[in-house]
Amino acid sequence: KNEVEQSPQNLTAQEGEFITINCSYSVGISALHWLQQHPGGGIVSLFMLSSGKKKHGRLIATINIQEKHSSLHITASHPRDSAVYICAVRAGAQKLVFGQGTRLTINP
Amino acid sequence: EAGVAQSPRYKIIEKRQSVAFWCNPISGHATLYWYQQILGQGPKLLIQFQNNGVVDDSQLPKDRFSAERLKGVDSTLKIQPAKLEDSAVYLCASSPILDSIYNEQFFGPGTRLTVL
Repeated sequence: KNEVEQSPQNLTAQEGEFITINCSYSVGISALHWLQQHPGGGIVSLFMLSSGKKKHGRLIATINIQEKHSSLHITASHPRDSAVYICAVRAGAQKLVFGQGTRLTINP
Repeated sequence: EAGVAQSPRYKIIEKRQSVAFWCNPISGHATLYWYQQILGQGPKLLIQFQNNGVVDDSQLPKDRFSAERLKGVDSTLKIQPAKLEDSAVYLCASSPILDSIYNEQFFGPGTRLTVL
């Protein structure tokens, strides 16, 4: 079993829908990252969380340390949100361990 | 501020050939990472440098992969000889701080390698 599991692996939705992507991990962590990867490979950091909730524009990330679970939400989704969303965790100062990614497609 | 630069963006080679990738991190960033991302998977760390020293290369296949960061700035990753299973995107990332839970990594655009 991977240390970081994301669900769903693929998600297709219509423009305007509320999107939720989930991340579960099996190790104790010091921080969790949500990353966005567009076609072409470039990765952009969206959030870094160690507790609670963060919001940036239409994106919201939450984490429940006790349940070892995090969610990334997108409100009023738009076709430009189409990308692969990757969850990554860090245990202490150790290296990042990445999930396999969730491929999101938003249709107009 | 300029981002992490990588070249080439795409490379197609035949198995058993050699290939090299180049990365120029963000100016002033002490830590540099090379990742391998196979299609449909998340990135996997190959090697991590702090300045010009290796911090972690536990997942680098050392029989065929090598990397260096001689002056603590630019880095090259080499594969010699390449195998079919090396087909992947090779990502370079940099960060300013090593031992911090607030360590944010900045990624380059990646090099897509196809081995035929």
